Amino acid sequence: DIQMTQSPSSLPASLGDRVTITCRASQDIGNYLRWFQQKPGKSPRLMIYGATNLAAGVPSRFSGSRSGSDYSLTINSLESEDMAIYYCLQHNEYPPTFGSGTKLEIK
Amino acid sequence: EVQLVESGGGLVQPGRSMKLSCAASGFTFSNYGMAWVRQAPTKGLEWVATISYDGSSTYYRDSVKGRFTISRDNAKSTLYLQMNSLRSEDTATYYCTRAGSSDYWGQGVMVTVSS
Repeated sequence: DIQMTQSPSSLPASLGDRVTITCRASQDIGNYLRWFQQKPGKSPRLMIYGATNLAAGVPSRFSGSRSGSDYSLTINSLESEDMAIYYCLQHNEYPPTFGSGTKLEIK
Repeated sequence: EVQLVESGGGLVQPGRSMKLSCAASGFTFSNYGMAWVRQAPTKGLEWVATISYDGSSTYYRDSVKGRFTISRDNAKSTLYLQMNSLRSEDTATYYCTRAGSSDYWGQGVMVTVSS
C-alpha cells in the first residue's frame, strides 16, 4: 500500500498567518492527490483535487502544490473558519490511502 | 441539490451483521462510482470499499475483505454496505461518497460493535 506521511500532526497558528501542510507519498502517485477539511462532528469537505485544483466554493486563500513526491496545502491569511483537521488522500491506486491528519488550531 | 443520506447504523454485537444504506439524490446516481469511508472515534479517515458505476467492479481494504460487501441498486439510487462478522475495530462513523471525485459526502452513520 502507498503510505502518505502527513506533517505536522498539529499546527498552532494565528489569524492572518500563512500555513503549509505537507504529505509525502511513498510511491509515485502523479497528481492523484486530494485535500480535505473536516470540522468537529462534520463530514469531510473536498478542498483540492488533482494536487493543485481548487474545488468548487473553496476560498482562493487555499492552494495546493507538488514538488516531486511532496504535496502541500497552503492557506494564506488564516481565518477562524479554517480551524479544522486537514487530510490528504492518494487515489492513484488501490487501496486509496489518507494521511494521518493535521489539526490546525489557534495559537 | 446533491444529497447522500446514510442509514442503518447502531449498536451491534461482535460477530453479528449490519447493513448500511446510502440514499442518493440530485444527480444521476448510475453515472458514478461510489465509496464507503469510515472514521473510528477520534481517529483519521479510512477508505473501506468502492463500487463502479454499474456495480461490475468492487474493491475492498484488506481488513474487510470477505466480511463486507458493497453493492448498489441504480433503480433506487441507493448504495449499500453489508457488514458481516463485525469486530470491535469496525466501530466507526461510516460515510458514503462519490468515488471518482469525493466532492459530496453523506452526514455519516455511526456503527458501534460491542457486547
